[in-house]
Amino acid sequence: DAKTTQPTSMDCAEGRAANLPCNHSTISGNEYVYWYRQIHSQGPQYIIHGLKNNETNEMASLIITEDRKSSTLILPHATLRDTAVYYCIVSSYGKLTFGQGTILTVHP
Amino acid sequence: EAGVAQSPRYKIIEKRQSVAFWCNPISGHATLYWYQQILGQGPKLLIQFQNNGVVDDSQLPKDRFSAERLKGVDSTLKIQPAKLEDSAVYLCASSHRRGGEWGNNEQFFGPGTRLTVL
Repeated sequence: DAKTTQPTSMDCAEGRAANLPCNHSTISGNEYVYWYRQIHSQGPQYIIHGLKNNETNEMASLIITEDRKSSTLILPHATLRDTAVYYCIVSSYGKLTFGQGTILTVHP
Repeated sequence: EAGVAQSPRYKIIEKRQSVAFWCNPISGHATLYWYQQILGQGPKLLIQFQNNGVVDDSQLPKDRFSAERLKGVDSTLKIQPAKLEDSAVYLCASSHRRGGEWGNNEQFFGPGTRLTVL
């Protein structure tokens, strides 16, 4: 599976958009980009995934660059409950290989 | 829709003892996964079942870990004998995926079992 690179930590003010970047320069054509998050003491929670096109759901938007070498997860209006570790995962054949993720802290 | 259920939520044992974890996936989900999450790290896949057959157990320490999924529904993960380094959260996940289509394979995770080996 392709390796991903994410910042170790990020801060965001409550009510503002949180933009979490992810680099996956070795992604293959049939590999999907998945985002999960893990709130303290809970299991990971699926957020969104995509292959080539940008995607949006009730939780977030996923922007994938045209060359697919990087992506950005956007939480449009961050709340305190969005404080969590966010994992960007490049998946082939449905397998999830978790890295260290980005610790997002949302401040009041 | 009920989520993935796991029990127990917490377990403390001494090294060399045995322990078992139970998982009940979301109804109708064909694929079931067990992950190990050591403190400060992301989850690591231990084993993947498709119905009651093993798809991937390449990272399962088979000398001490075993897992089964009888009847393609519930699953148990066992450690015998436990070592100090087995202290971790054991997560179970399930997904709809049924052979062939891997693209849309959203996995739903349970709350996990926190194991402490003394």
